[in-house]
Amino acid sequence: KQEVTQIPAALSVPEGENLVLNCSFTDSAIYNLQWFRQDPGKGLTSLLLIQSSQREQTSGRLNASLDKSSGRSTLYIAASQPGDSATYLCAVTRYRAGGTSYGKLTFGQGTILTVHP
Amino acid sequence: NAGVMQNPRHLVRRRGQEARLRCSPMKGHSHVYWYRQLPEEGLKFMVYLQKENIIDESGMPKERFSAEFPKEGPSILRIQQVVRGDSAAYFCASSVGRKQYFGPGTRLTVT
Repeated sequence: KQEVTQIPAALSVPEGENLVLNCSFTDSAIYNLQWFRQDPGKGLTSLLLIQSSQREQTSGRLNASLDKSSGRSTLYIAASQPGDSATYLCAVTRYRAGGTSYGKLTFGQGTILTVHP
Repeated sequence: NAGVMQNPRHLVRRRGQEARLRCSPMKGHSHVYWYRQLPEEGLKFMVYLQKENIIDESGMPKERFSAEFPKEGPSILRIQQVVRGDSAAYFCASSVGRKQYFGPGTRLTVT
């Protein structure tokens, strides 16, 4: 059974700092990994998707890396801003023989990020 | 292209009533997923549907919960005889490829 763990559970940083959020998963047979952002009382916004054959993806100030063999992913946020304050979720889909996935996402518990001015 | 739509956004039901949650996927998306987020817990998969078919319902409680995605119209998650423990945020996602796109969720409160 796939388990996804995110560390730290909460993080508070001053504006401008670079930071790293960690995600680990127990079953390396993943199809892809997604990082999401969730604002309080809102839905999920997809930030980055890394396919199992990729090592990293970048979008603006965000960079996500994937080390499938060790079961780890990191989300790097450069020059953090108060608007980055949210819960960040990591989720994986499981690989299915034939080059497809089982579809469903398995989520970590999330990291609550607070960026203070 | 409108995003994933869910309604209602907030739903209050008394114990024993039925709750119906609706999800309209993004245009062109034929795969729908339902997830539940209980208070102080992470998001958990419930069910995966394609048009007129349930592909994976391994996360659905055995009783009182059902889901459908008819040929026409939205996907429906139905909870019969709701109990206080059903109070949660229910999210729908749709996909046509690798990425899942989430709706804003329906927050169900059972009184």
